[in-house]
Amino acid sequence: AQRVTQPEKLLSVFKGAPVELKCNYSYSGSPELFWYVQYSRQRLQLLLRHISRESIKGFTADLNKGETSFHLKKPFAQEEDSAMYYCALKENAGGTSYGKLTFGQGTILTVHP
Amino acid sequence: DTEVTQTPKHLVMGMTNKKSLKCEQHMGHRAMYWYKQKAKKPPELMFVYSYEKLSINESVPSRFSPECPNSSLLNLHLHALQPEDSALYLCASSFGQISYEQYFGPGTRLTVT
Repeated sequence: AQRVTQPEKLLSVFKGAPVELKCNYSYSGSPELFWYVQYSRQRLQLLLRHISRESIKGFTADLNKGETSFHLKKPFAQEEDSAMYYCALKENAGGTSYGKLTFGQGTILTVHP
Repeated sequence: DTEVTQTPKHLVMGMTNKKSLKCEQHMGHRAMYWYKQKAKKPPELMFVYSYEKLSINESVPSRFSPECPNSSLLNLHLHALQPEDSALYLCASSFGQISYEQYFGPGTRLTVT
């Protein structure tokens, strides 16, 4: 079965420091990976998807199939980046769960001034 | 209109009540989703509708009954719920079930007394 692991529940950094939120996955097929973000009192929203390979709000994430990882990185964290971040995997291998999105447990990022 | 809306925002119901949650989108999306999210936990998929047909049911108890009357509307009918069903219920939609990002609504905070 598919699984998404975010090993850090909490991550604290100072403004201007680099930040890396870790995500590892297990999936037998070819995965589609996403990062979603939930700011305080706001709805869950898409931050990145691996197939688009773009940078949003200075964040990037590279899919490493060898290490089954999809870590989220930003070179200089800002206070407004403080939020809950979820890594998510979409099943693309067919079967009854085709298209299902499975979330990791989430990492709360706090950026201190 | 580029948002998913959900009503009501909050709902308190007794274990013998019958109530419904409503979700609406006018983005032309043909896939709609119900998720359940407990406090400090990731969203968990409950149901997926694709082109108004139930596509995925994640073994959800029958006291939760989804309905998709048309391509813009998704309901979740609730009956004889238990206190452990108290959670944030999120609706999402996407252009298709496969390989499209999901847009989330703000959720309905449900409390079962």
